[in-house]
Order: sequence, then structure tokens, then C-alpha cells
Amino acid sequence: EPEVTQTPSHQVTQMGQEVILRCVPISNHLYFYWYRQILGQKVEFLVSFYNNEISEKSEIFDDQFSVERPDGSNFTLKIRSTKLEDSAMYFCASTTTGYNEQFFGPGTRLTVL
Amino acid sequence: KQEVTQIPAALSVPEGENLVLNCSFTDSAIYNLQWFRQDPGKGLTSLLLIQSSQREQTSGRLNASLDKSSGRSTLYIAASQPGDSATYLCAVRGVNQGGKLIFGQGTELSVKP
Repeated sequence: EPEVTQTPSHQVTQMGQEVILRCVPISNHLYFYWYRQILGQKVEFLVSFYNNEISEKSEIFDDQFSVERPDGSNFTLKIRSTKLEDSAMYFCASTTTGYNEQFFGPGTRLTVL
Repeated sequence: KQEVTQIPAALSVPEGENLVLNCSFTDSAIYNLQWFRQDPGKGLTSLLLIQSSQREQTSGRLNASLDKSSGRSTLYIAASQPGDSATYLCAVRGVNQGGKLIFGQGTELSVKP
């Protein structure tokens, strides 16, 4: 069964460093999302991406964040200068249309020291 | 602004019991509602998607209901098993909120043998 994959599973970085989180969505899906979950808190929407551009972003998704689909399979989230408060689990999700079932990857746990 | 609330925050039941998890949302203008399962430190597994035009959706021992006008959904789990122990999340996709999901905080279920 097709699934969303994410790498790495765990990333530890120093404050101020750049990180890139990678996702491979399900192959025939067209809409892609990033969410995050700070420990003990709700899952929060960060950004949605369709047709090679951002379709919506939350207040959290400031200039330090960017997304890219560099080829036909990968979808990446870059944080340019990490802060302590960026420590969270980051989930990638994809779906066929904007309103169908979203399928989530296993997440990347980001720890900023 | 859409808010999603899940009650109770935690639930412990003996094996074999039928149980109901509750989800409420403040804005009834939704396209659909999705129930997820999350195991500790893991990703989100989609359980059921219920469209705004549907009243119920079933998958195995799981049954989700939706009362859009009152802003409520329930997830019924029949004949619970220890393997059902996990956190259950509901998420709504609003009509005027793009394709993003807005999550509740989850109900942590423990099924004791």
C-alpha cells in the first residue's frame, strides 16, 4: 500500500542552524502539506502546496520557513535559522484533491539545542 | 475561527467494552471530518473520513457519526482490545479554510487486558 515517507526520523541541531526535512508523498497525490506538533500540544497546520506553489500558510510559517518540490517525488521543508521553539514533530501529508482524505507520514522529530 | 475540542482527554476501559469518543467543532461550515490514530511518538494513521453530507461511516469495529448542524462527531469503538490503546484525534476541514485540517487535542485511550 502506498505511503508517505519522511527522512530523517530524528534530527538534532544547534540553534541558528539550517535544517531540511524531507518527504516523499504518495505518487499520484497533488496536494502536499506540512504540520507540526509540539510535545503535548495539538497538531498545527503550517503550509499547503499545490501546482508548485504555496496555496496557504499559517502565521507560524514566517520568513524562516520555506518549502520546495525540487523534483517529481520529494517535498521539503527548510528552516533557515532554527530556534529552540522549533523543536517539534513535523509531519508531511498528501492527498489527491484538496478535500479528500489526507495521508500522513511518520514524522521527523526535530530537536533544537 | 474554527476550534476543535475532544472530550475526554483520557479514557481507560477494560478489554471488551464498547466506547465512544467525542469531538466538537465551533463552525459547522465543514467539508469533512477525519479521525486519526496516533501511537506514542509516531505518525497519524487515518481511520475514517466522513463527508459533510454523510451521517455515518464504518470501518470494521469503528463507526464515526457526524452531526454537522450541532458541530459534533463521535467515534464508536466496539469490543475494545488492548491493541486499540492510542491517542485518537479528530480533524475538520472547513469550507472557507482551504484544504488544511484543524485538529483537536486528542483522547488518550487505554484498554486494559
